Amino acid sequence: DQQVKQNSPSLSVQEGRISILNCDYTNSMFDYFLWYKKYPAEGPTFLISISSIKDKNEDGRFTVFLNKSAKHLSLHIVPSQPGDSAVYFCAGTLGGGSEKLVFGKGTKLTVNP
Amino acid sequence: DAGITQSPRHKVTETGTPVTLRCHQTENHRYMYWYRQDPGHGLRLIHYSYGVKDTDKGEVSDGYSVSRSKTEDFLLTLESATSSQTSVYFCAMRTETDTQYFGPGTRLTVL
Repeated sequence: DQQVKQNSPSLSVQEGRISILNCDYTNSMFDYFLWYKKYPAEGPTFLISISSIKDKNEDGRFTVFLNKSAKHLSLHIVPSQPGDSAVYFCAGTLGGGSEKLVFGKGTKLTVNP
Repeated sequence: DAGITQSPRHKVTETGTPVTLRCHQTENHRYMYWYRQDPGHGLRLIHYSYGVKDTDKGEVSDGYSVSRSKTEDFLLTLESATSSQTSVYFCAMRTETDTQYFGPGTRLTVL
């Protein structure tokens, strides 16, 4: 039973436009979320995170929004660049001192020039 | 500036042979993790460690064992490799901000 779901396996966007990657979770005990970016043949790279006490966190072109009532978070990339083309993973940490991350299956973003 | 490395980066082995993958960190973090990545599955936790000689199982631990005799090293062993263990393996370390940082990965092929 997937606790963290990324329902779109792929997304294609034009350069300069906004990319929105979505993630849903099923367990309200998740208290910390992270987004990772992964290029082929490399390890995942940490991108941005958000605590459940916030509803938005911004870092340059990247913004993560958290909607706790809907158990939904999204990553916005504005403006999108061809170098953003990668697989993006959403992950969450369950509260209560859990040391483990639960990952979604990933969304492949392609930014077309 | 890699604080976490993995070796080997690629390995081809035969069914039934033992294989050990190494993860090394230079950051002195307490928590370390081993994941595997397979198409359609994302990243799945195999084992993790919360200190020297302290380890616990993840969601896909069958067929794998780990050891941590030093803070900086976390070893993953496949006692008798099977074709279903062909995968890309990533290790990670967790910082005090609860963020995990990953190594570059090891591509393992079991023939």
